[in-house]
Amino acid sequence: AQTVTQSQPEMSVQEAETVTLSCTYDTSENNYYLFWYKQPPSRQMILVIRQEAYKQQNATENRFSVNFQKAAKSFSLKISDSQLGDTAMYFCASQGGSEKLVFGKGTKLTVNP
Amino acid sequence: EPEVTQTPSHQVTQMGQEVILRCVPISNHLYFYWYRQILGQKVEFLVSFYNNEISEKSEIFDDQFSVERPDGSNFTLKIRSTKLEDSAMYFCASSEQGGRYEQYFGPGTRLTVT
Repeated sequence: AQTVTQSQPEMSVQEAETVTLSCTYDTSENNYYLFWYKQPPSRQMILVIRQEAYKQQNATENRFSVNFQKAAKSFSLKISDSQLGDTAMYFCASQGGSEKLVFGKGTKLTVNP
Repeated sequence: EPEVTQTPSHQVTQMGQEVILRCVPISNHLYFYWYRQILGQKVEFLVSFYNNEISEKSEIFDDQFSVERPDGSNFTLKIRSTKLEDSAMYFCASSEQGGRYEQYFGPGTRLTVT
Protein backbone atom coordinates (compact mmCIF):
# COMPACT_ATOMS: atom_id res chain seq x y z
CA ALA A 1 0.00 0.00 0.00
CA GLN A 2 1.10 3.54 -0.66
CA THR A 3 0.83 6.38 1.82
CA VAL A 4 1.66 10.06 1.50
CA THR A 5 2.07 12.38 4.46
CA GLN A 6 2.15 16.16 4.45
CA SER A 7 2.91 17.37 7.93
CA GLN A 8 2.31 21.09 7.37
CA PRO A 9 -1.42 21.90 7.18
CA GLU A 10 -0.72 25.60 6.58
CA MET A 11 2.24 27.75 5.67
CA SER A 12 2.79 31.35 4.76
CA VAL A 13 5.58 33.20 3.01
CA GLN A 14 6.33 36.75 2.00
CA GLU A 15 6.22 37.63 -1.65
CA ALA A 16 9.61 37.09 -3.35
CA GLU A 17 10.80 34.78 -0.58
CA THR A 18 11.46 31.06 -0.82
CA VAL A 19 9.32 28.41 0.84
CA THR A 20 9.66 24.64 1.14
CA LEU A 21 6.71 22.28 1.52
CA SER A 22 7.38 18.87 3.02
CA CYS A 23 6.13 15.48 1.91
CA THR A 24 7.04 11.95 2.93
CA TYR A 25 5.75 8.81 1.35
CA ASP A 26 5.87 5.08 1.67
CA THR A 27 5.57 2.53 -1.10
CA SER A 28 6.57 -1.04 -1.80
CA GLU A 29 6.89 -0.36 -5.52
CA ASN A 30 10.31 -0.25 -7.13
CA ASN A 31 9.19 2.03 -9.92
CA TYR A 32 6.97 4.93 -8.96
CA TYR A 33 6.29 8.56 -9.68
CA LEU A 34 5.82 11.49 -7.35
CA PHE A 35 3.85 14.64 -8.05
CA TRP A 36 3.02 18.02 -6.65
CA TYR A 37 -0.39 19.38 -7.57
CA LYS A 38 -1.56 22.94 -6.95
CA GLN A 39 -5.20 23.83 -6.33
CA PRO A 40 -5.86 27.60 -6.35
CA PRO A 41 -9.00 28.78 -4.54
CA SER A 42 -12.11 27.62 -6.41
CA ARG A 43 -10.05 26.22 -9.26
CA GLN A 44 -9.06 22.77 -10.38
CA MET A 45 -5.90 20.96 -9.42
CA ILE A 46 -3.05 21.40 -11.84
CA LEU A 47 0.21 19.55 -12.02
CA VAL A 48 3.18 21.57 -10.80
CA ILE A 49 6.02 19.09 -11.07
CA ARG A 50 6.68 15.38 -11.49
CA GLN A 51 9.60 13.19 -10.38
CA GLU A 52 10.39 9.73 -11.65
CA ALA A 53 11.79 7.65 -8.81
CA TYR A 54 14.48 6.03 -10.92
CA LYS A 55 15.93 9.42 -11.83
CA GLN A 56 18.43 10.73 -9.33
CA GLN A 57 18.32 14.28 -10.65
CA ASN A 58 15.79 16.50 -8.93
CA ALA A 59 13.04 17.82 -11.19
CA THR A 60 12.72 21.56 -11.77
CA GLU A 61 10.05 23.67 -13.45
CA ASN A 62 10.94 27.35 -13.51
CA ARG A 63 10.55 28.60 -9.91
CA PHE A 64 9.52 25.17 -8.64
CA SER A 65 11.98 22.46 -7.73
CA VAL A 66 11.95 19.32 -5.65
CA ASN A 67 14.34 17.76 -3.20
CA PHE A 68 13.91 14.05 -3.75
CA GLN A 69 15.57 11.92 -1.09
CA LYS A 70 14.77 8.35 -2.11
CA ALA A 71 16.34 6.59 0.86
CA ALA A 72 14.50 8.85 3.28
CA LYS A 73 11.31 8.67 1.18
CA SER A 74 11.08 12.41 1.20
CA PHE A 75 9.85 14.65 -1.61
CA SER A 76 9.77 18.33 -0.73
CA LEU A 77 8.74 21.20 -3.00
CA LYS A 78 10.68 24.43 -3.07
CA ILE A 79 9.06 27.55 -4.46
CA SER A 80 11.50 30.35 -5.19
CA ASP A 81 10.61 34.01 -5.62
CA SER A 82 7.08 33.37 -4.33
CA GLN A 83 4.30 35.23 -6.10
CA LEU A 84 0.79 36.11 -4.95
CA GLY A 85 -0.55 33.68 -7.55
CA ASP A 86 1.19 30.84 -5.76
CA THR A 87 -1.42 31.06 -3.00
CA ALA A 88 -3.15 27.67 -3.14
CA MET A 89 -3.50 24.22 -1.63
CA TYR A 90 -0.56 22.03 -2.57
CA PHE A 91 -0.99 18.29 -2.71
CA CYS A 92 1.79 15.76 -2.82
CA ALA A 93 0.89 12.49 -4.57
CA SER A 94 2.48 9.19 -5.50
CA GLN A 95 1.73 6.72 -8.25
CA GLY A 96 3.15 3.24 -8.50
CA GLY A 97 1.97 -0.09 -9.80
CA SER A 98 -1.28 1.31 -11.17
CA GLU A 99 -2.74 4.52 -12.50
CA LYS A 100 -4.30 5.75 -9.29
CA LEU A 101 -2.82 8.72 -7.51
CA VAL A 102 -2.42 8.53 -3.74
CA PHE A 103 -2.59 11.99 -2.19
CA GLY A 104 -1.49 13.62 1.01
CA LYS A 105 -3.86 15.87 2.96
CA GLY A 106 -2.45 19.01 1.45
CA THR A 107 -0.68 22.16 2.62
CA LYS A 108 -2.44 25.50 2.39
CA LEU A 109 0.12 28.06 1.26
CA THR A 110 -0.53 31.78 1.59
CA VAL A 111 1.78 34.26 -0.08
CA ASN A 112 1.63 37.62 1.67
CA PRO A 113 2.32 40.92 -0.10
CA GLU B 1 -6.25 25.25 -23.34
CA PRO B 2 -8.61 22.24 -23.06
CA GLU B 3 -10.05 21.64 -19.61
CA VAL B 4 -12.02 18.97 -17.81
CA THR B 5 -15.44 20.31 -16.88
CA GLN B 6 -17.89 19.05 -14.28
CA THR B 7 -21.55 19.68 -13.62
CA PRO B 8 -23.16 20.63 -11.36
CA SER B 9 -20.73 22.57 -9.21
CA HIS B 10 -22.88 21.87 -6.15
CA GLN B 11 -25.53 19.20 -5.67
CA VAL B 12 -27.73 18.86 -2.63
CA THR B 13 -29.70 15.66 -2.24
CA GLN B 14 -31.60 13.77 0.39
CA MET B 15 -30.32 10.53 1.87
CA GLY B 16 -31.44 7.54 -0.18
CA GLN B 17 -31.76 9.47 -3.43
CA GLU B 18 -29.82 8.71 -6.59
CA VAL B 19 -27.40 11.29 -7.94
CA ILE B 20 -25.47 11.49 -11.18
CA LEU B 21 -22.36 13.60 -11.37
CA ARG B 22 -21.26 14.58 -14.83
CA CYS B 23 -17.87 15.19 -16.32
CA VAL B 24 -16.65 16.13 -19.78
CA PRO B 25 -13.04 14.94 -20.11
CA ILE B 26 -10.55 16.46 -22.52
CA SER B 27 -11.56 15.31 -25.98
CA ASN B 28 -8.56 13.20 -27.03
CA HIS B 29 -8.08 11.58 -23.63
CA LEU B 30 -8.67 7.87 -23.22
CA TYR B 31 -8.40 7.28 -19.48
CA PHE B 32 -10.88 8.62 -16.97
CA TYR B 33 -10.93 8.77 -13.20
CA TRP B 34 -13.06 9.76 -10.25
CA TYR B 35 -11.63 10.89 -6.93
CA ARG B 36 -13.35 12.30 -3.88
CA GLN B 37 -12.36 14.45 -0.94
CA ILE B 38 -14.35 14.44 2.26
CA LEU B 39 -13.99 17.79 4.01
CA GLY B 40 -10.71 17.98 5.88
CA GLN B 41 -9.48 14.64 4.57
CA LYS B 42 -7.30 13.39 1.76
CA VAL B 43 -8.25 13.19 -1.88
CA GLU B 44 -9.08 9.50 -2.41
CA PHE B 45 -9.13 7.46 -5.59
CA LEU B 46 -12.48 5.90 -6.49
CA VAL B 47 -12.22 4.38 -9.95
CA SER B 48 -10.39 4.40 -13.26
CA PHE B 49 -12.06 3.69 -16.60
CA TYR B 50 -10.63 2.80 -19.98
CA ASN B 51 -12.09 1.36 -23.15
CA ASN B 52 -15.58 1.33 -21.64
CA GLU B 53 -14.51 -0.77 -18.70
CA ILE B 54 -13.48 -0.19 -15.14
CA SER B 55 -9.73 -0.82 -14.98
CA GLU B 56 -9.33 -0.31 -11.25
CA LYS B 57 -11.53 0.56 -8.30
CA SER B 58 -10.98 1.24 -4.64
CA GLU B 59 -12.70 -0.28 -1.63
CA ILE B 60 -14.86 2.83 -1.45
CA PHE B 61 -16.33 2.09 -4.87
CA ASP B 62 -18.93 -0.45 -3.79
CA ASP B 63 -22.15 -1.58 -5.45
CA GLN B 64 -23.76 1.78 -4.76
CA PHE B 65 -21.41 3.41 -7.26
CA SER B 66 -21.28 3.03 -11.00
CA VAL B 67 -19.60 4.83 -13.88
CA GLU B 68 -20.57 5.19 -17.47
CA ARG B 69 -19.47 6.85 -20.65
CA PRO B 70 -22.88 7.19 -22.27
CA ASP B 71 -21.66 8.99 -25.38
CA GLY B 72 -18.41 10.19 -26.86
CA SER B 73 -17.99 13.12 -24.50
CA ASN B 74 -19.52 12.57 -21.06
CA PHE B 75 -18.25 10.46 -18.18
CA THR B 76 -20.67 10.01 -15.29
CA LEU B 77 -20.55 8.81 -11.71
CA LYS B 78 -23.81 7.50 -10.29
CA ILE B 79 -24.51 6.93 -6.63
CA ARG B 80 -27.66 4.81 -6.36
CA SER B 81 -28.76 5.47 -2.81
CA THR B 82 -26.82 8.28 -1.19
CA LYS B 83 -25.69 8.18 2.43
CA LEU B 84 -24.69 11.04 4.67
CA GLU B 85 -21.07 9.90 4.45
CA ASP B 86 -21.12 10.35 0.67
CA SER B 87 -21.01 14.11 1.24
CA ALA B 88 -17.74 15.17 -0.34
CA MET B 89 -16.08 16.97 -3.21
CA TYR B 90 -15.96 14.69 -6.26
CA PHE B 91 -13.23 15.27 -8.81
CA CYS B 92 -13.16 13.89 -12.32
CA ALA B 93 -9.83 13.53 -14.11
CA SER B 94 -8.67 12.37 -17.51
CA SER B 95 -5.37 11.51 -19.11
CA GLU B 96 -4.24 11.04 -22.66
CA GLN B 97 -2.84 7.64 -21.87
CA GLY B 98 -2.59 5.51 -18.78
CA GLY B 99 0.39 4.86 -16.64
CA ARG B 100 2.45 7.89 -15.75
CA TYR B 101 0.79 10.41 -18.00
CA GLU B 102 -0.48 13.56 -16.35
CA GLN B 103 -4.01 13.43 -15.03
CA TYR B 104 -5.97 16.60 -15.69
CA PHE B 105 -8.55 17.41 -13.04
CA GLY B 106 -11.91 19.10 -13.22
CA PRO B 107 -13.04 21.75 -10.71
CA GLY B 108 -15.11 19.25 -8.74
CA THR B 109 -18.73 18.79 -7.72
CA ARG B 110 -19.59 19.40 -4.11
CA LEU B 111 -22.16 16.81 -3.07
CA THR B 112 -24.13 17.47 0.09
CA VAL B 113 -26.36 14.69 1.39
CA THR B 114 -28.93 15.77 3.97
